[in-house]
Amino acid sequence: NAGVTQTPKFQVLKTGQSMTLQCAQDMNHEYMSWYRQDPGMGLRLIHYSVGAGITDQGEVPNGYNVSRSTTEDFPLRLLSAAPSQTSVYFCASSEYRGRTEAFFGQGTRLTVV
Amino acid sequence: GESVGLHLPTLSVQEGDNSIINCAYSNSASDYFIWYKQESGKGPQFIIDIRSNMDKRQGQRVTVLLNKTVKHLSLQIAATQPGDSAVYFCAENGSGNTGKLIFGQGTTLQVKP
Repeated sequence: NAGVTQTPKFQVLKTGQSMTLQCAQDMNHEYMSWYRQDPGMGLRLIHYSVGAGITDQGEVPNGYNVSRSTTEDFPLRLLSAAPSQTSVYFCASSEYRGRTEAFFGQGTRLTVV
Repeated sequence: GESVGLHLPTLSVQEGDNSIINCAYSNSASDYFIWYKQESGKGPQFIIDIRSNMDKRQGQRVTVLLNKTVKHLSLQIAATQPGDSAVYFCAENGSGNTGKLIFGQGTTLQVKP
């Protein structure tokens, strides 16, 4: 049982480059979300999805796009990377919105130079 | 605005002692709370949750207490072990059934041998 899988684990980008962080879950969870974690801080919600075809913005959505074409996958896109997006990114999924535990991936450590 | 905060950034305890990690939340509409443990380089891992219709819930060596009157949450770890050393986050689901989780900034638990 893989749970929530994130790729890549590490990435270095130059300012202005684009990339996609991948997230996949095999638990048939309807709710998925992306967080960023900066040093000494908690997790801040970027975008979330309550089901295939439905996405919404979280606390810090600027500079990020998401889509949810399938239940399993929830990629996060950086269209033009900026140094302020240097962070550790976590994807999470849960069975039911707001009522059950969220399972987290192992994270993607992104550095923008 | 909505926020979840922790009273102490670092807690240092002796191995074998009990640990108590505190959390204050601000949204009285939150009805679901979770404690997560995050080890270095890993994603947050679910420890225990509690719903607002309860004031106490016990797991294996852990107990969560919820005081809705003062909007306070605590995590008690019995017989703390070196493997308990990590950052601990509380999270609340905020208002509305959106699935969002609002995280506190975390408390670092250091266990001294």
